[in-house]
Amino acid sequence: QVQLQESGPGLVKPSQTLSLTCAVSGASIDSGSYYWAWNRQPAGKGLEWIGRIHTTGTTNYNPSLKSRVTISLDTSKNQFSLKLTSMTAADTAVYYCVREGTSGRWGQGTLVTVSS
Amino acid sequence: DIVMTQSPDSLTVSLGERATINCKSSQSVLYSSNNKNYLGWFQQKPGQPPKLLIYWASTRESGVPDRFSGSGSGTDFTLTINSLQAEDVAVYYCQQYYSPPLTFGGGTKVEIK
Repeated sequence: QVQLQESGPGLVKPSQTLSLTCAVSGASIDSGSYYWAWNRQPAGKGLEWIGRIHTTGTTNYNPSLKSRVTISLDTSKNQFSLKLTSMTAADTAVYYCVREGTSGRWGQGTLVTVSS
Repeated sequence: DIVMTQSPDSLTVSLGERATINCKSSQSVLYSSNNKNYLGWFQQKPGQPPKLLIYWASTRESGVPDRFSGSGSGTDFTLTINSLQAEDVAVYYCQQYYSPPLTFGGGTKVEIK
C-alpha cells in the first residue's frame, strides 16, 4: 500500500521560501511511470494543482506559479520536494503531495500559514 | 488552461435516492489516439484529503462501491451516486488530466435531506 507523508514548516514569513518534502513508502519513486505532484487547498476553498515531476525527471508547473516553483526528486531517500519562493498570505493553504494517475494516492496534507 | 465547470454547487438528497453531479470542460479531454477521456472524480470528506473514485471518466478505482458511476465523453461528464448513503456526504471534484496545468472543478457539496 503506497503511502505519502508531507513534512515541513507550518509557519512561513512573507517573502520567505517554503520547502516541503513528501516521503513515499510502499513504492519506489523511480520505478513505474508515475507523476509525483503537489496540490494545495486554501481553507474552505477548492483544489489547485501546483505542479508535478515524472519518474524520468520531467517537470510541469502551473503557469500561475511557474516563476516561483521547483519540484525535485530524491531517489536515494525515496522522496520528492516542493520549493515555493516569495511566499505571501495568498499562499496560505493545506499542501498535499500526490501520486497521480490510476491508483492515485494523496498524503494527509500539511497546513502552511504565511504570517509575520 | 482547460476550465472545469461543475454543477450544481451543492445538492441535498434523501438517503437511498440518487445524486447527480455534472462537470463540463472548456475543451475536449478525449484523447483520440487511445479513445480515453482524461477525466477523474474525487471525493473529499471533512478534514480528509481527496480520494480518487473514478478515472478515465468511467472506471472505478479499486474498492470504490459500485453505487458510484461516471459517464460522459468529450466535454460533458456526470458522476452518479445511486442509493445515497450517509457516508457519501462529502465534496466531489472533477479533474482533467488531459494537459497541464491539471485543473479541478469548483466542487459540489452533497448533503443528506
